[in-house]
Amino acid sequence: LAKTTQPISMDSYEGQEVNITCSHNNIATNDYITWYQQFPSQGPRFIIQGYKTKVTNEVASLFIPADRKSSTLSLPRVSLSDTAVYYCLVGSVSGSARQLTFGSGTQLTVLP
Amino acid sequence: DAGVTQSPTHLIKTRGQQVTLRCSPKSGHDTVSWYQQALGQGPQFIFQYYEEEERQRGNFPDRFSGHQFPNYSSELNVNALELDDSALYLCASNPGRGGEETQYFGPGTRLLVL
Repeated sequence: LAKTTQPISMDSYEGQEVNITCSHNNIATNDYITWYQQFPSQGPRFIIQGYKTKVTNEVASLFIPADRKSSTLSLPRVSLSDTAVYYCLVGSVSGSARQLTFGSGTQLTVLP
Repeated sequence: DAGVTQSPTHLIKTRGQQVTLRCSPKSGHDTVSWYQQALGQGPQFIFQYYEEEERQRGNFPDRFSGHQFPNYSSELNVNALELDDSALYLCASNPGRGGEETQYFGPGTRLLVL
């Protein structure tokens, strides 16, 4: 399982775009990149998943360069309620027998 | 459509006791995974159950055991509790055959060992 490195914490202001970058130099060919969000005392919530280039959904965008050694989660126009820990995970999607390996995550604090 | 549910929400035990935590997966999911999350850290994988059998296991001692029932619900048992077992225990579910791979997490059970 590829190791990931992401900033411990980030601060932003309401209405700004936030970009959180994750490094995964040892990503394998069949690995996907997945981001989860977690609020205090709650379970992690799936945000977005991608393999290469760009993926966008109603919540976020995920940018993955050609070498796939890093990825950037982009949250447009954050609000106070986006304050949470964001986890970057890398692993193969090999059927249901896939365990998730979490790092320490990035604590995002959105300020008014 | 109910998501993943866990019970109880909070639990206080003393060192040496035994505890059982329960999880009901999201409707349509037959695979259940358990994670331990210590304060300030990311969740750590304990084990995964599919078709009532333990399929994968993380780096946890044998004091941690589990079970999956025919209705896909699951239990996590921890024997001989230690102070370091104090954590948020998370259950996650996903479909076992095909479908989306995303794991859906429950709200967790907060265990405090005194």
